[in-house]
Amino acid sequence: GAVVSQHPSRVICKSGTSVKIECRSLDFQATTMFWYRQFPKQSLMLMATSNEGSKATYEQGVEKDKFLINHASLTLSTLTVTSAHPEDSSFYICSASAFLAGSYNEQFFGPGTRLTVL
Amino acid sequence: AQTVTQSQPEMSVQEAETVTLSCTYDTSENNYYLFWYKQPPSRQMILVIRQEAYKQQNATENRFSVNFQKAAKSFSLKISDSQLGDTAMYFCAFMKTSYDKVIFGPGTSLSVIP
Repeated sequence: GAVVSQHPSRVICKSGTSVKIECRSLDFQATTMFWYRQFPKQSLMLMATSNEGSKATYEQGVEKDKFLINHASLTLSTLTVTSAHPEDSSFYICSASAFLAGSYNEQFFGPGTRLTVL
Repeated sequence: AQTVTQSQPEMSVQEAETVTLSCTYDTSENNYYLFWYKQPPSRQMILVIRQEAYKQQNATENRFSVNFQKAAKSFSLKISDSQLGDTAMYFCAFMKTSYDKVIFGPGTSLSVIP
């Protein structure tokens, strides 16, 4: 149980185009979803937190007009990178949070999406 | 603001030996959660072990155990009987409350040598 999927796993796009990445919780409903960015050999940096039906909360320094997050349901969140540029090339990871058992909301991570902007 | 520090960017250990990864954190909270995550070459994040700050007993999961020193704000991970499959990046992480975001440390790259 507690599986999170991401689609696509890899995407290559041209500079100036927009790319949408989907994050789905397959067998549970997620109260909150998180989007992270990871550059090579670096840690995960939180970009934004999203709750179903409300606007995402972006971390300082993250352009909300460039990284559009939509959390339409308790099982789906999408990240759209608008007008992508080569510097947006990175590994994007989502996580879904749910109180399944135990004493806290555990986060379950998706497998990540590698974005390459040419 | 909470911060997580891992002072060992890279470590190596012989197969079957024991290795300890260090982590310190900074917070003014009294109750919180600490985690160790493993990220193998596949890049899938895997939860290794978690510790709730209000619990004094150190968490243990099979070959993985932690040394949680709350006063010192230290949270080290010990891997016993290291296996080749333990080769990965290891991230120490902090979560303030059950509904909060997770803050990751910079990571330690662990190589298990046959």
